Amino acid sequence: AQTVTQSQPEMSVQEAETVTLSCTYDTSESDYYLFWYKQPPSRQMILVIRQEAYKQQNATENRFSVNFQKAAKSFSLKISDSQLGDAAMYFCAYRESDYKLSFGAGTTVTVRA
Amino acid sequence: DAGVTQSPTHLIKTRGQQVTLRCSPKSGHDTVSWYQQALGQGPQFIFQYYEEEERQRGNFPDRFSGHQFPNYSSELNVNALLLGDSALYLCASNVGGVGKNIQYFGAGTRLSVL
Repeated sequence: AQTVTQSQPEMSVQEAETVTLSCTYDTSESDYYLFWYKQPPSRQMILVIRQEAYKQQNATENRFSVNFQKAAKSFSLKISDSQLGDAAMYFCAYRESDYKLSFGAGTTVTVRA
Repeated sequence: DAGVTQSPTHLIKTRGQQVTLRCSPKSGHDTVSWYQQALGQGPQFIFQYYEEEERQRGNFPDRFSGHQFPNYSSELNVNALLLGDSALYLCASNVGGVGKNIQYFGAGTRLSVL
């Protein structure tokens, strides 16, 4: 079974600063997908960024970027120029083929004004 | 274009009762997955429906059952409710057949079992 570990229950960042969220996963597969989802208090899970394991290049979406280290099975998320609207619970998720997502326990991000 | 919609938004039941939660997938999507999210935890996969069949199931008892209709909408049924079933139930949809496709989530149904 795939396991996803987020070792930081909470992270705090000053507005306009950068914060990095860590995620490690366990798999024996070579082809899979990794995601970061954001869940604000409204409860709606929103996709932040996606990485395909066979792609060496790290994914980037505006202020969000990842550091994907396949050999180390590490998938960290960097939020640059943090904004108040970035405050939320962030989940790292793993997906193999066309089936289920396996989520980590989440990291709560607080942004200080 | 409507996203994933779930109903009801909040539900209160008592132990032993049965509950049905509903989900309409995003337009163009044919695959629906259900997740249970306990307070302060990550979502846990319950099962996935594709072409009206349960394609994959997580580690949940048979009290949890589901159905997918020809229009791709789906229901999650939970029988003999336990206090531990209190959680946020999330529905997600995607276009099936391509693993990289994104699962889009609804806002969930908050179930409270008293």
